Amino acid sequence: DAKTTQPNSMESNEEEPVHLPCNHSTISGTDYIHWYRQLPSQGPEYVIHGLTSNVNNRMASLAIAEDRKSSTLILHRATLRDAAVYYCILRDNSGYALNFGKGTSLLVTP
Amino acid sequence: KAGVTQTPRYLIKTRGQQVTLSCSPISGHRSVSWYQQTPGQGLQFLFEYFSETQRNKGNFPGRFSGRQFSNSRSEMNVSTLELGDSALYLCASSRGDVGTDTQYFGPGTRLTVL
Repeated sequence: DAKTTQPNSMESNEEEPVHLPCNHSTISGTDYIHWYRQLPSQGPEYVIHGLTSNVNNRMASLAIAEDRKSSTLILHRATLRDAAVYYCILRDNSGYALNFGKGTSLLVTP
Repeated sequence: KAGVTQTPRYLIKTRGQQVTLSCSPISGHRSVSWYQQTPGQGLQFLFEYFSETQRNKGNFPGRFSGRQFSNSRSEMNVSTLELGDSALYLCASSRGDVGTDTQYFGPGTRLTVL
């Protein structure tokens, strides 16, 4: 599986936008970019995914570089509830398992 | 729609014993995956079942096994428990039609091996 690289941790102020980066220089043409997050004492939850174009949903936006070697998860207004570990995962249609890396631990301060 | 449920939520066992964990997927989902989460190794994929067949398997010893029933409920079993098996065991369900289907996770079972 192609690997992703994320910063170990990031910090944000409440109600500020947060940009969580992910590098995936060996991504293949069939890999989708997925983001999951894990809040404290909970199982992971799906956030967003995309292939080539930028994507928006009620939780976040996903900006994908033109060469697809990197992407950024954008939380438009961080809340305390967004404090979690965020995982950037590459998946293709033949890979049913989620290959979690270390993720980025996001701290949100009031 | 009810979410993924896992039972029991907490379990304490001693070395050498065996344990069975249960997972009930979201209604209509045919795929159930199991993951182990430890502070040292993070989240690691154990195996995935789809329509009662193991479709994918991670890199874990044969002491870890699972099965899926016709109603899509799944169980995983760990035999001859070791201290290192202490972990949070997470189950996730999905439709399972394609590899990129969203996976929905349960709250996990916290297993402590003494």
